Amino acid sequence: AQTVTQSQPEMSVQEAETVTLSCTYDTSESNYYLFWYKQPPSRQMILVIRQEAYKQQNATENRFSVNFQKAAKSFSLKISDSQLGDTAMYFCAFIISTGANSKLTFGKGITLSVRP
Amino acid sequence: DTGVSQDPRHKITKRGQNVTFRCDPISEHNRLYWYRQTLGQGPEFLTYFQNEAQLEKSRLLSDRFSAERPKGSFSTLEIQRTEQGDSAMYLCASSLERRTDTQYFGPGTRLTVL
Repeated sequence: AQTVTQSQPEMSVQEAETVTLSCTYDTSESNYYLFWYKQPPSRQMILVIRQEAYKQQNATENRFSVNFQKAAKSFSLKISDSQLGDTAMYFCAFIISTGANSKLTFGKGITLSVRP
Repeated sequence: DTGVSQDPRHKITKRGQNVTFRCDPISEHNRLYWYRQTLGQGPEFLTYFQNEAQLEKSRLLSDRFSAERPKGSFSTLEIQRTEQGDSAMYLCASSLERRTDTQYFGPGTRLTVL
């Protein structure tokens, strides 16, 4: 079974600063994807960034980047130049690459507040 | 592309009543998923469909829960004899079969059982 752990329940950051959200996971699989999803208050879940486990290069999407450490089973999200609109819950998630197993496994999430 | 839609967005019901939620996936997506999210937690997988076939059900899906996708397009999730513990956000997502790594979520239906 796969597990995803987000041990920080809340974080706060000043606008324009950088913040890193932590995530660890556990699996015996070798081929999988990792994700960070954003869920703003009362709004739907959107995908922020995706990392394929077989790729060594860390994924980046504009102000968002990850630090993927496969051996350590760690997958952190760095948000640069934080904006007020980044205030949301952030979920780390995992899925096995084979099509037969389609379910996402999520962590408990972290509430990020960006202060003006 | 209109995205995944869910109806209703909010539902308040009394314990013991039956409720039904609807999900309309992105039109070309043949996979449809249901997740449940309780307060302060991440979403948990309930079940998924490939076209009209229900391929997997979580142990979280008790006998009071039933999901259908009769024509391989929209899906319904019914909860019979609701309990207070059923209060949660019910999320629907869809994807292409060959791209299950990219699931698009709907806005969710928030259920409150009094």
